Amino acid sequence: NAGVTQTPKFRVLKTGQSMTLLCAQDMNHEYMYWYRQDPGMGLRLIHYSVGEGTTAKGEVPDGYNVSRLKKQNFLLGLESAAPSQTSVYFCASSYLAGGNTQYFGPGTRLTVL
Amino acid sequence: TQLLEQSPQFLSIQEGENLTVYCNSSSVFSSLQWYRQEPGEGPVLLVTVVTGGEVKKLKRLTFQFGDARKDSSLHITAAQTGDTGLYLCAAENQAGTALIFGKGTTLSVSS
Repeated sequence: NAGVTQTPKFRVLKTGQSMTLLCAQDMNHEYMYWYRQDPGMGLRLIHYSVGEGTTAKGEVPDGYNVSRLKKQNFLLGLESAAPSQTSVYFCASSYLAGGNTQYFGPGTRLTVL
Repeated sequence: TQLLEQSPQFLSIQEGENLTVYCNSSSVFSSLQWYRQEPGEGPVLLVTVVTGGEVKKLKRLTFQFGDARKDSSLHITAAQTGDTGLYLCAAENQAGTALIFGKGTTLSVSS
């Protein structure tokens, strides 16, 4: 039982490049989330999903797209990376919505030059 | 806009000292969670408090939810180096779809 896993752990991009971050969970959770964490800013919600085939915008969605084609996977895409997207990205999942316990992955550290 | 304000932002203490960190808001929440995040890892849930005035203990950690359910505190007794990390409070957003997080308290305990 791996919980929530994220791929890759580290990545360096040049401005304008694209990439996809993969999140996978084996807990059969309906709800999945993508956050970014920046120094002094806490965790900010980018996008979330309440079930397979559904996605919704969070607090800071601009410049990101997501897809949830399978219940266990939640993909975060950057179409044209910008230096402002340098951050640590965390994926999380939960059995129920809202105030339910969220289980986090280990994070992806992304640097955009 | 719902906000969770945490204080202090940074705390550096010696092993054996006691400390309290705070999480405050002008909004009322149905529950509040505390997470701890160690360097290089994702946050891990410590506790959820649900009832106003509730006190929960987890070994040397004591969590309290304010009577009005607008604030919470985390008290650590006799801190150890293993307590070092980022402490985050979180609560359900107004839409009931996700959590909002405070900016966190970074705790450093040295021996």
